[in-house]
Amino acid sequence: ETGVTQTPRHLVMGMTNKKSLKCEQHLGHNAMYWYKQSAKKPLELMFVYSLEERVENNSVPSRFSPECPNSSHLFLHLHTLQPEDSALYLCASSPGTGAGEKLFFGSGTQLSVL
Amino acid sequence: KQEVTQIPAALSVPEGENLVLNCSFTDSAIYNLQWFRQDPGKGLTSLLLIQSSQREQTSGRLNASLDKSSGRSTLYIAASQPGDSATYLCAVMTTDSWGKLQFGAGTQVVVTP
Repeated sequence: ETGVTQTPRHLVMGMTNKKSLKCEQHLGHNAMYWYKQSAKKPLELMFVYSLEERVENNSVPSRFSPECPNSSHLFLHLHTLQPEDSALYLCASSPGTGAGEKLFFGSGTQLSVL
Repeated sequence: KQEVTQIPAALSVPEGENLVLNCSFTDSAIYNLQWFRQDPGKGLTSLLLIQSSQREQTSGRLNASLDKSSGRSTLYIAASQPGDSATYLCAVMTTDSWGKLQFGAGTQVVVTP
């Protein structure tokens, strides 16, 4: 257990659905991240939050909408997704966003868009 | 732009043999480099983190070296076991990245009994 919990573990949705991914960290960290892992591609950073404020949006389409209500919780709201958005979505946290911070990852949500 | 490459993409060894996994990066201005393990359909487990001022880190059977000037890191796993079968990812944090890690595509390792 890394102290970072993601739900659900698996999600199947149609292109017109709206769903949300949830991440919770029990480590007292101040920074949280969303990463996307597509088949046979390196992990890609999507969003970074530091103390509930978004500090990085890595050119992610607006059909992905993050929310960080407090430093322990992070959501990724999904709407009108495309089949190419099918991937493993990983949440991570770190003590801060400064140099040398170690990231702790959750187990991910495997998303399939039909 | 930082690019991270891992060679080989896949590796199969018999149990007991030592594993050598390579990672190269194009921009030597890094803060640190991390090695992760990923089991199929699962998240990432951090194995070792090497700060830019360090040359190596060790944990049990694992040893990771870092040569910043040549843009290379190597992960050694001694006396491999079937439980070491997984995908190993390296990631670098560059000085302008605000906590962003740049990942390689990984090396898929199979250790046969």
